Amino acid sequence: EIVLTQSPGTLSLSPGERATLSCRASQSVSSSSLAWYQQKPGQAPRLLIYGSSTRATGIPDRFSGSGSGTDFTLTISRLEPEDFAVYYCQQYGSSPLFTFGPGTKVDIK
Amino acid sequence: QVQLQESGPGLVKPPQTLSLTCTVSGGSISSGVYYLSWLRQHPGKGLEWIGYISYSGSTYYNPSLKSRFTISVDTSKNQFSLRLSSVTAADTAVYYCARTRIAVASSYFDYWGQGTLVTVSS
Repeated sequence: EIVLTQSPGTLSLSPGERATLSCRASQSVSSSSLAWYQQKPGQAPRLLIYGSSTRATGIPDRFSGSGSGTDFTLTISRLEPEDFAVYYCQQYGSSPLFTFGPGTKVDIK
Repeated sequence: QVQLQESGPGLVKPPQTLSLTCTVSGGSISSGVYYLSWLRQHPGKGLEWIGYISYSGSTYYNPSLKSRFTISVDTSKNQFSLRLSSVTAADTAVYYCARTRIAVASSYFDYWGQGTLVTVSS
């Protein structure tokens, strides 16, 4: 089973700053199988990035994804007030087919 | 715009069976590219994928979970359902339905229901 680890657990930043979130897999993951989601309190997750670097429909270009193998990164170039949320990475392929990381909370400093 | 909406009881007594339904609007669920998944999120915790079903009825479940889950589909109603037998307090969670794309190029959950909180308590 592939285990996803996200770091840091919490990222405290100010609006306008750059956020860099890490997702590390215990084994190599296909770049096409890595996605990122944003979840705000009381809401369902929202797809941000799929295929490790392709933005989903309607996602602003301040969100970008990169990486390959076991190391993947979600970058928010300039934090907007609505970006403070929890972010999850997700992989597809190895049993149990879909797994998620534990999440990184981006909160206001 | 595709929309998904979960429905079902908010409170279930152990060891009853939980039944949830997800109604899909804004698009047919009869698409070979997309599958329909159920996921859950325990209070204050991360996301857990339960399983998916194709429009033709093929299912795949998370083998890490005990085999108490059953997913079914009704294409005539554009709905799919989740049954969880012998519930315990550990099944208390927000349950989400989600449209799932599974393809060589990419695999992800692109549309989600709002989620429904299910509490298991006597």
